[in-house]
Amino acid sequence: DAMVIQNPRYQVTQFGKPVTLSCSQTLNHNVMYWYQQKSSQAPKLLFHYYDKDFNNEADTPDNFQSRRPNTSFCFLDIRSPGLGDAAMYLCATARWGFYEQYFGPGTRLTVT
Amino acid sequence: SQELEQSPQSLIVQEGKNLTINCTSSKTLYGLYWYKQKYGEGLIFLMMLQKGGEEKSHEKITAKLDEKKQQSSLHITASQPSHAGIYLCGARYNNNDMRFGAGTRLTVKP
Repeated sequence: DAMVIQNPRYQVTQFGKPVTLSCSQTLNHNVMYWYQQKSSQAPKLLFHYYDKDFNNEADTPDNFQSRRPNTSFCFLDIRSPGLGDAAMYLCATARWGFYEQYFGPGTRLTVT
Repeated sequence: SQELEQSPQSLIVQEGKNLTINCTSSKTLYGLYWYKQKYGEGLIFLMMLQKGGEEKSHEKITAKLDEKKQQSSLHITASQPSHAGIYLCGARYNNNDMRFGAGTRLTVKP
């Protein structure tokens, strides 16, 4: 089935140790999003890609970077994770002009 | 301040009862989306509303968008345990940019 896949589902990293989260999609959607969701809070948009065009939210810390090597894959890199970066990270896709977003199951990041 | 406010934050209802969740935007929106999230999982799309006064239904869930396009309500009729979860509203203000409310946690007691 067409879907949005996130790997790993659970990630534990040490304070300051770089970590990469992965998202892939079989929907062939040209827009991909990364959200950060902390407990009992709204998902917060970090950045999104329209094809290869990268759009960073103004308040996304420099510590967060993203790569989209092709339509199917998108990565979230956290260069030096802090304790405050522990959260659920959600990837979503959409077709340009159709604003319904399809979400992956999320990656829960723990920072020790 | 939050662009999107949801109320209530949590809701506990007896199975079979009706309930309403509200979502209010601080400014006019281009689209309003309702999602459901189970704990520790991704969001599942429920409905999208775009036109002022629009109303949509899916099974026992009905969503409405007011004429001014700043407030939406989600109504569940005859709630079931399968309705339990977190309901989030999302608003589109700019193309391909979404803002979410903090969610309403719904518990349905058998």
